[in-house]
Amino acid sequence: EDKVVQSPLSLVVHEGDTVTLNCSYEVTNFRSLLWYKQEKKAPTFLFMLTSSGIEKKSGRLSSILDKKELFSILNITATQTGDSAVYLCAVEWTGNQFYFGTGTSLTVIP
Amino acid sequence: NAGVTQTPKFRILKIGQSMTLQCAQDMNHNYMYWYRQDPGMGLKLIYYSVGAGITDKGEVPNGYNVSRSTTEDFPLRLELAAPSQTSVYFCASSPGTAGETQYFGPGTRLLVL
Repeated sequence: EDKVVQSPLSLVVHEGDTVTLNCSYEVTNFRSLLWYKQEKKAPTFLFMLTSSGIEKKSGRLSSILDKKELFSILNITATQTGDSAVYLCAVEWTGNQFYFGTGTSLTVIP
Repeated sequence: NAGVTQTPKFRILKIGQSMTLQCAQDMNHNYMYWYRQDPGMGLKLIYYSVGAGITDKGEVPNGYNVSRSTTEDFPLRLELAAPSQTSVYFCASSPGTAGETQYFGPGTRLLVL
């Protein structure tokens, strides 16, 4: 069964829009949730979240985790064409193993 | 400091052939992983290792084998390649301590015909 579910599967927006990507999970022995950006090559790390309610920010990107409701969101404000990518959510559980979602494909139109 | 390196970048195999995908890291990480990523899908864990001499199966280990004789190297062996193994393969490493992310190699694109 799916352990990490991302939504939406794909998204097309115009430059300057704000987007919210969702990740819900169901794993035992949760340790952390990670967000990656993938642009036709290897995933690159964005955020790691371990505690509920604490927002992580990096420029126009921010993310927050809700461990009670078992989900996380990734926000991107003032989107740019360079934000076009697949955004992957992964959940780390005991044993340092990671379950990945299928990703959200974001396309930003000029 | 090269990080995680993978070879080859691309390979075409015939059904039934075998090959080894190479992965090396120079960060002295204890944990190493092999993932496959099918088109439009997320990454699926094939095998992982928590240190030299120790390996374990992930979600999709069938048709693959691994070994970890040194901290640096973690090769993935495909025996009797099948079309279902057409995918992009990523190797990753991490220190293995809580709160540390994974570092990915550039990937190997494999086509089995």
